[in-house]
Amino acid sequence: ELKVEQNPLFLSMQEGKNYTIYCNYSTTSDRLYWYRQDPGKSLESLFVLLSNGAVKQEGRLMASLDTKARLSTLHITAAVHDLSATYFCAVGTQMNRDDKIIFGKGTRLHILP
Amino acid sequence: DTAVSQTPKYLVTQMGNDKSIKCEQNLGHDTMYWYKQDSKKFLKIMFSYNNKELIINETVPNRFSPKSPDKAHLNLHINSLELGDSAVYFCASSQSRFSGGRQETQYFGPGTRLLVL
Repeated sequence: ELKVEQNPLFLSMQEGKNYTIYCNYSTTSDRLYWYRQDPGKSLESLFVLLSNGAVKQEGRLMASLDTKARLSTLHITAAVHDLSATYFCAVGTQMNRDDKIIFGKGTRLHILP
Repeated sequence: DTAVSQTPKYLVTQMGNDKSIKCEQNLGHDTMYWYKQDSKKFLKIMFSYNNKELIINETVPNRFSPKSPDKAHLNLHINSLELGDSAVYFCASSQSRFSGGRQETQYFGPGTRLLVL
């Protein structure tokens, strides 16, 4: 059974600091997603990672994937208040066109001005 | 223009009723999805349609049925609503599925907040 664990679940940090959110998953995956959700709002797709060693960056966010360790990280560089949100990772697997996407519980990030 | 739209935004109804939530995307995408987010913010994918073919059907009750009249629309019909169905339902679309890269980036609708009394 595919399980996805994120940590930490809650994170409060100061502006200007760096931090990393971790996403571990239990079985082989085809793809890994990162999403952002602001309170009371919809989801925004941040990254789709497909292959081992994949690294993608957008502004102060950088996501990486290590399929051998079954680990993805979302690194935040020099955090700013606008990055306060909940971040979800999700793992997708595909077998014989039977597809699954399993979400982590989310990391609620609060950046103090 | 809104890329992915859902109606209604809010839906309050009684147990046992049947209701539908509509979703439309004007992005020309081939794949559409329905997600459920419960009161604890846990997300779960419910369905995915690719070119009108159901390719994900998670273990959701048979009371939930997706209906896609064309590739720009994926409606969610719910029969015999139960208290536990109260949640936020998100529709999403992506250019394609299984093709990798940016084509799998999903665009989400604003959500429909369903409250079953």
